[in-house]
Amino acid sequence: GENVEQHPSTLSVQEGDSAVIKCTYSDSASNYFPWYKQELGKRPQLIIDIRSNVGEKKDQRIAVTLNKTAKHFSLHITETQPEDSAVYFCAAGWDGGSNYKLTFGKGTLLTVNP
Amino acid sequence: GAVVSQHPSRVICKSGTSVKIECRSLDFQATTMFWYRQFPKQSLMLMATSNEGSKATYEQGVEKDKFLINHASLTLSTLTVTSAHPEDSSFYICSAGQGAGTEAFFGQGTRLTVV
Repeated sequence: GENVEQHPSTLSVQEGDSAVIKCTYSDSASNYFPWYKQELGKRPQLIIDIRSNVGEKKDQRIAVTLNKTAKHFSLHITETQPEDSAVYFCAAGWDGGSNYKLTFGKGTLLTVNP
Repeated sequence: GAVVSQHPSRVICKSGTSVKIECRSLDFQATTMFWYRQFPKQSLMLMATSNEGSKATYEQGVEKDKFLINHASLTLSTLTVTSAHPEDSSFYICSAGQGAGTEAFFGQGTRLTVV
């Protein structure tokens, strides 16, 4: 099955700096890569996703890059703000019909210090 | 986005009793729902995939007789923790999507405490 590795497990940055979280996956069939943000005690919320036919996607301060050959994808947050502090999860999945499921990384606790 | 509602949000039960958790997709039909378990400061561990009208698919190491899943309609899946023990105490969360390769929407989760 799919295996997703996520690094780092914790990340502390100063407000205004950039944060980068990296993930690797093992199943070359995976073609959908979402990123979720989970604040303490709340449900995970999708913040951005990318499909295998795209190398990069941006949404304001958030960007995701995908390297299918190397099987890794990264989340980039620029101009970080204290409200960006949360746990971020990457995931990998594929739209293979009835066998579809997402495999999550272990998460990164991001702390943005004011 | 789509809404997934999970109930109850918190439950405390005695050891040996059973607890049922409901997961509903409020504004879309979900032929597939997913049940996760999350320990403090840890990731989402997939327990099983709930398929409407058929048996659930359990991940390796998950006891299907202990964690009963029923997906009787396109908008409701239930997880029943049978004969609960303190080690079953955890945060259980469901998700559903509108199709393969699309955003997964999560329920608000259920904090189960077995005393």
